[in-house]
Amino acid sequence: EAGVVQSPRYKIIEKKQPVAFWCNPISGHNTLYWYLQNLGQGPELLIRYENEEAVDDSQLPKDRFSAERLKGVDSTLKIQPAELGDSAVYLCASSLGSGTYEQFFGPGTRLTVL
Amino acid sequence: GQQVMQIPQYQHVQEGEDFTTYCNSSTTLSNIQWYKQRPGGHPVFLIQLVKSGEVKKQKRLTFQFGEAKKNSSLHITATQTTDVGTYFCAGRQYSNSGYALNFGKGTSLLVTP
Repeated sequence: EAGVVQSPRYKIIEKKQPVAFWCNPISGHNTLYWYLQNLGQGPELLIRYENEEAVDDSQLPKDRFSAERLKGVDSTLKIQPAELGDSAVYLCASSLGSGTYEQFFGPGTRLTVL
Repeated sequence: GQQVMQIPQYQHVQEGEDFTTYCNSSTTLSNIQWYKQRPGGHPVFLIQLVKSGEVKKQKRLTFQFGEAKKNSSLHITATQTTDVGTYFCAGRQYSNSGYALNFGKGTSLLVTP
């Protein structure tokens, strides 16, 4: 069974440029998460989807970040414009549901903003 | 933000020594999960604890959930170099957006042979 797929794995951009990350969750997983992980820190939730509905986006900086999961399967996270402080690893995870289910993480996208 | 505290931040042990990391929450947790992240890798689920006072074992790893469901610990007996990585606890708490899983900052374990 394929795991969570993310692309790209690495991205280097200049500040003020836009960037997008893509995630394909494990087949059949209704819940999808986007996390941000800074060096030496734990994952911090940006947004959680139940199918195509964003049920928790309270930590998403909506002035520059947006996300979508149009068909309830794969998802895209966008930053526009990127700032220096956005440099981090962006992790996507999925689970069967949002209750007591374990989360399966993708390899992440390492973003460097110059 | 992160509401689960984890200590220590780092631990360096000799192979064969034991290791323990502790997780504390100021509020009662509905359950707690533990993840391991190898250097350069992504978090991988280890276990989930749900019941008050629950203890679970996975080979050399022992996980405990406190009686008040506010703290948890992970103990590794006789560490091996394959145990190297960062161990995260993630506590599930109810919020305005439903149940949220909040990760601690992790404990980075270094094992030298």
